[in-house]
Amino acid sequence: NAGVMQNPRHLVRRRGQEARLRCSPMKGHSHVYWYRQLPEEGLKFMVYLQKENIIDESGMPKERFSAEFPKEGPSILRIQQVVRGDSAAYFCASSEGQGVTEAFFGQGTRLTVV
Amino acid sequence: SQQGEEDPQALSIQEGENATMNCSYKTSINNLQWYRQNSGRGLVHLILIRSNEREKHSGRLRVTLDTSKKSSSLLITASRAADTASYFCATATGGGNKLTFGTGTQLKVEL
Repeated sequence: NAGVMQNPRHLVRRRGQEARLRCSPMKGHSHVYWYRQLPEEGLKFMVYLQKENIIDESGMPKERFSAEFPKEGPSILRIQQVVRGDSAAYFCASSEGQGVTEAFFGQGTRLTVV
Repeated sequence: SQQGEEDPQALSIQEGENATMNCSYKTSINNLQWYRQNSGRGLVHLILIRSNEREKHSGRLRVTLDTSKKSSSLLITASRAADTASYFCATATGGGNKLTFGTGTQLKVEL
């Protein structure tokens, strides 16, 4: 059973370009969470999705950021018109369901905006 | 302090010694989890303790939870150089498994 898969591992974008980060949850997991980690800091919650639904996007910036988890395929975190401040590590986690269940994390995508 | 704030921020010990890290939080929680992160890597889940539990063990790890003080501790016994990493506590509140992470403790275990 493969773990949570994120790709790409590293992504370099110029200011103003779009960044697309993908996350395939563990087999059997229908809940996906995206977190952002700035250097020397802890992870900050961005968005919680179930298949075809956004459950909680309270941590997501109102502009330029969007997330989806379609019926088929991976979850996508999309950042439009990237700025230098978007440079960070973006981690995806998945879990079986709600409540007291363990969340498994991917290796992250390191976004660098130049 | 923030929800899920670790103390100390950094800890350096000799191999074989025990390492203790503390975490404080502010609001009521469903559970508290500890994670390890090696430099530049993803997070590895270590242990989950429910709000109605007081202590939990897993190998060389021992976690305590005091909901009256809103605090938790992670003890790593007989530390090894391979334990060198950042350790984060994370609290889960409400529905789902949305986690609020602390700022982490950087542990360095020297030979």
